[in-house]
Amino acid sequence: DTGVSQDPRHKITKRGQNVTFRCDPISEHNRLYWYRQTLGQGPEFLTYFQNEAQLEKSRLLSDRFSAERPKGSFSTLEIQRTEQGDSAMYLCASSTGPITGQFFGPGTRLTVL
Amino acid sequence: AQSVSQHNHHVILSEAASLELGCNYSYGGTVNLFWYVQYPGQHLQLLLKYFSGDPLVKGIKGFEAEFIKSKFSFNLRKPSVQWSDTAEYFCAVNNNNAGNMLTFGGGTRLMVKP
Repeated sequence: DTGVSQDPRHKITKRGQNVTFRCDPISEHNRLYWYRQTLGQGPEFLTYFQNEAQLEKSRLLSDRFSAERPKGSFSTLEIQRTEQGDSAMYLCASSTGPITGQFFGPGTRLTVL
Repeated sequence: AQSVSQHNHHVILSEAASLELGCNYSYGGTVNLFWYVQYPGQHLQLLLKYFSGDPLVKGIKGFEAEFIKSKFSFNLRKPSVQWSDTAEYFCAVNNNNAGNMLTFGGGTRLMVKP
C-alpha cells in the first residue's frame, strides 16, 4: 500500500498564472476526491470522481477550476488565472466506498503572490 | 446542508490525563461518522469510523468514540494521553443524501505536555 501521492508538494505562483496539480490514488480505489484546506479550518469538499466520471462538484469550484480523471486512475486539478484567495492546501483522497473512510494524500500547498 | 461543530479549538493536557473532544453534527438522517488525526508535518490519517452497529467504536492508538444519535454527537475519547498524541483532530460526517463528500469540523488542536 503506497498510499495517495500528490505532486507537487509546494507551488508558488504569481496571480493570474495557471497551475495544475496531480493526484495518484491508492491503486484499487475507484473513488477520488479533492478538498481544499485553509489555515485553521477543516478540509472543504471540492469535487468527487467515481472511476473517470465526475459525479459531484461543490459551489466552491468556480469556473476557474477544472478537474479530470481521464482513465479512472490519476486525477488533475487545474486552477486558471489564480487569485490570492486560492492560496490553500489542496488535498486529494481516495476510497472504495462511502463507509470505508477516505485516505488522504500529503497535499499540495499553493501560494499565490 | 449538513454541518459539523467542534467546540474545543485548542486543548492542552498533561500526559496521562484523560481526553474528550466534542463533535456535533447537524444532519438528522443516517450518517457515517469519522475522526481523522493530523500529526505535525504529516497528512490526515483515519483514526476511527462509525457507520452502523455498536455506537461505541474503537480506533487506533487507544482512541474510541461514542455515537449518541439523540444528541447528534460523536465525541472522541482516550483514557490516558501521551505526548505523541499532540496533533490536530478533525471530526467528519458523510450522509447518503450529500453523496460521497465528507463535511469536516474546524478541528481541535491538542497539545500534550510531557
